[in-house]
Amino acid sequence: EVQLLESGGGMVQAGGSLRLSCATSGFNFGSYGMGWARQPPGKGLEWVSTISDSGAGTFYADSVKGRFTISRDNSKKTLFLQMNSLTAEDTAIYYCGKFPFWGWFFDFWGPGSLVSVSS
Amino acid sequence: IQMTQSPASLSASVGDTVTITCRASQDITNHLAWFQQKPGEAPKSLIYATSSLQSGVPSRFSGGGSGTDFALTISGLYPEDFATYYCQQYKAFPLTFGGGTKVEIK
Repeated sequence: EVQLLESGGGMVQAGGSLRLSCATSGFNFGSYGMGWARQPPGKGLEWVSTISDSGAGTFYADSVKGRFTISRDNSKKTLFLQMNSLTAEDTAIYYCGKFPFWGWFFDFWGPGSLVSVSS
Repeated sequence: IQMTQSPASLSASVGDTVTITCRASQDITNHLAWFQQKPGEAPKSLIYATSSLQSGVPSRFSGGGSGTDFALTISGLYPEDFATYYCQQYKAFPLTFGGGTKVEIK
């Protein structure tokens, strides 16, 4: 069974940093692209970042480019999101997700981790 | 690529058939996915490649369309289907979602 579990969320002041982790199990982690999406309270979904299976390819939404860094440790089956220079607009539930081989959409989602940035 | 869903919300009864539409601002061929989200839960993948059901998704869910116009149809609503539905294009980065359609109980 595929399982994803985010951790590392919490409250932080504007300008601060947080590092999210996503621990995985139930699939061959190193063979799949992974990514992050977010959802501000009461609002819709926004894609944040994607990383290829090897980690060589990364993609970012314009809203986080230059501030967020996605990475992965295939030996530990874990995905990361380093978030710097946080603003109130980054307040959201952050979901990690697994991409299938055949497209850049999440076929599995983690339960989410809340990041709250106070201004 | 902008994704526009309609309606933003709808009210329906158990057993009704409902259709949600999703329009892309440019041709995305069939690179369209649908997700279901219930309050307090993570989204769940329903459909990919416009019309392919994810494993375990009931056959009352169906998807169609191509190019710029797509639709999700639920044929015979069950109580557990009342939720918010999102479309997402994966033709190109940045990946983009529609604004969501909330299906409420009438």
